[in-house]
Amino acid sequence: QTVVTQEPSLTVSPGGTVTLTCASSTGALTGGYFPTWFQQKPGQAPRPLIYSTSNKHSWTPARFSGSLVGGKAALTLSGVQPEDEAEYYCLIYYDGARGVFGGGTKLTVL
Amino acid sequence: EVQLVESGGGLVQPGGSLRLSCAASGFTFSNYEMNWVRQAPGKGLEWVSYISSSSSTKDYADSVKGRFTISRDNAKNLLYLQMNSLRAEDTAVYYCVREGTTILNFDYWGQGTLVTVSS
Repeated sequence: QTVVTQEPSLTVSPGGTVTLTCASSTGALTGGYFPTWFQQKPGQAPRPLIYSTSNKHSWTPARFSGSLVGGKAALTLSGVQPEDEAEYYCLIYYDGARGVFGGGTKLTVL
Repeated sequence: EVQLVESGGGLVQPGGSLRLSCAASGFTFSNYEMNWVRQAPGKGLEWVSYISSSSSTKDYADSVKGRFTISRDNAKNLLYLQMNSLRAEDTAVYYCVREGTTILNFDYWGQGTLVTVSS
């Protein structure tokens, strides 16, 4: 059973920078795993942020960026805003399983 | 405007069945792959099932394989999820999700429909 691991929680100050990571139990992630990132606020459907490692949607704020760092997928928020407080999920592609979500990172802006 | 509207959720007893529907509009439905994703109360997201644009390929999470069946009607712009042998652990909000032109580009989500499995 493939497991995708994210930090359970992170705290960042307004205006600061924070990096969320996503690791695979199968080893180092590459672009071929199509790392994808979502933001979810309470009572709302997930909102897509990043796809294929680093591609942004038209609605994705410029302060969000995706990358690969040390064999993990990473989501970096630069110049964090209070409205960025949310749960963040990564999604990884595995052949035969389509997609496996990470457990989510609760980001607190304090 | 892309819209995905789920329906069919509700309360069902363990062992029962339910069929979810997702009505798509605002895009050429037959050109896109589709997925179902669920979220148990207070828990994280779980990918459930995938169907290709022509219905030639279907995938399921191990947790639902053999019990759930995904299908679509491109003429009616509808996506379905037939759920049989339901268990308490299937209780969740079920989201209909469009997959864009790249793998896992889950670009549009419905608002979800709640399925509760309880006696």
